[in-house]
Amino acid sequence: AQSVTQLGSHVSVSEGALVLLRCNYSSSVPPYLFWYVQYPNQGLQLLLKYTSAATLVKGINGFEAEFKKSETSFHLTKPSAHMSDAAEYFCAVSAPNTGNQFYFGTGTSLTVIP
Amino acid sequence: DADVTQTPRNRITKTGKRIMLECSQTKGHDRMYWYRQDPGLGLRLIYYSFDVKDINKGEISDGYSVSRQAQAKFSLSLESAIPNQTALYFCATSDSRTGHTEAFFGQGTRLTVV
Repeated sequence: AQSVTQLGSHVSVSEGALVLLRCNYSSSVPPYLFWYVQYPNQGLQLLLKYTSAATLVKGINGFEAEFKKSETSFHLTKPSAHMSDAAEYFCAVSAPNTGNQFYFGTGTSLTVIP
Repeated sequence: DADVTQTPRNRITKTGKRIMLECSQTKGHDRMYWYRQDPGLGLRLIYYSFDVKDINKGEISDGYSVSRQAQAKFSLSLESAIPNQTALYFCATSDSRTGHTEAFFGQGTRLTVV
């Protein structure tokens, strides 16, 4: 079975500082990995995805994530935080051996301090 | 217009009442999902459907039922609502036929059971 662990339910950064949101996964087969963002009172929007191509994946709004098989990690980064990045972020995994169901982490709430 | 539409967006209901949440999509995707979101717990899968005749239980299906009336419609029912079913509910879709893709989410239904 697949699972996702997001370390840190709340992360605060100063505006202009590096954003690092951690995600570790468990999968018995090569997984597909996703980061979603949820703004208040909205649904989830895809930031980026890894589907076995390049290990460094670039997404929208300046975010990127690197797939590291040896560390079973898929951490999300952004070099310089903006106030508009304040939101809830979810990491998700899916894999063929579980019918490509999506399994989500518990989420990380990002606060950006002016 | 949204590709994945959920109705209603907000609902308050009384304990013991039957309630149906509806989801429709214009994306032409074959797979549809119902999740619930609770603070600190992330998104948990209630039911999923890989096509009209293929419906499966997720990790928290007790107290819920679903109906896939057509490829584009997937409804979630609470036969007898209870207060711990108060949550934010999301419908999602994905397409298995174009290689593996991400899930696309509706805007959510906020359900309160009093």
